[in-house]
Amino acid sequence: GEDVEQSLFLSVREGDSSVINCTYTDSSSTYLYWYKQEPGAGLQLLTYIFSNMDMKQDQRLTVLLNKKDKHLSLRIADTQTGDSAIYFCAESSAAGNKLTFGGGTRVLVKP
Amino acid sequence: NAGVTQTPKFQVLKTGQSMTLQCAQDMNHEYMSWYRQDPGMGLRLIHYSVGAGITDQGEVPNGYNVSRSTTEDFPLRLLSAAPSQTSVYFCASRLTGVGNTIYFGEGSWLTVV
Repeated sequence: GEDVEQSLFLSVREGDSSVINCTYTDSSSTYLYWYKQEPGAGLQLLTYIFSNMDMKQDQRLTVLLNKKDKHLSLRIADTQTGDSAIYFCAESSAAGNKLTFGGGTRVLVKP
Repeated sequence: NAGVTQTPKFQVLKTGQSMTLQCAQDMNHEYMSWYRQDPGMGLRLIHYSVGAGITDQGEVPNGYNVSRSTTEDFPLRLLSAAPSQTSVYFCASRLTGVGNTIYFGEGSWLTVV
């Protein structure tokens, strides 16, 4: 079955760039997503990328996709304390009916 | 999370009790789903539905029932709660088809003692 893996924790200083990495196994993945979850809250969609794209930029967020290696990354430029949260990557199946999530990366931004 | 409403937000159950988590959306989304979130395991799909009258099992369906009598509502039933069902539950909805944004409810924190 599908599997999505993420590192558990990332610590970064305010103003630096953060890079969160994700690997997945399903070669038929069509869309890949990044979600943000703040404490006690639900999931907020940050951005997504179609599997035939290599890169997508949205303000401070840059998504890179290496489809050959099945590797997805999210770069947050000029990281702020408000970026402290858990970040989940997810992939959708070819049928689009199911999202498979990674275990989440907890990002801590230090002032 | 506008448009997907979950209730209750918090619930404590005793082992063996039953309860229903409610989920409603007002966006006319065909697709609705329930996930549970456990530490370090991300979100795991319990059940999903692609339209009224149609439901299917996800990754971890055991111990849970669902029904979809209307487009708007997708309740999740725990027939006999177990401590292993202590978790945070999220309902989500979207239009069918690949790439449509999925919207999440704010979560229901369930503790089974």
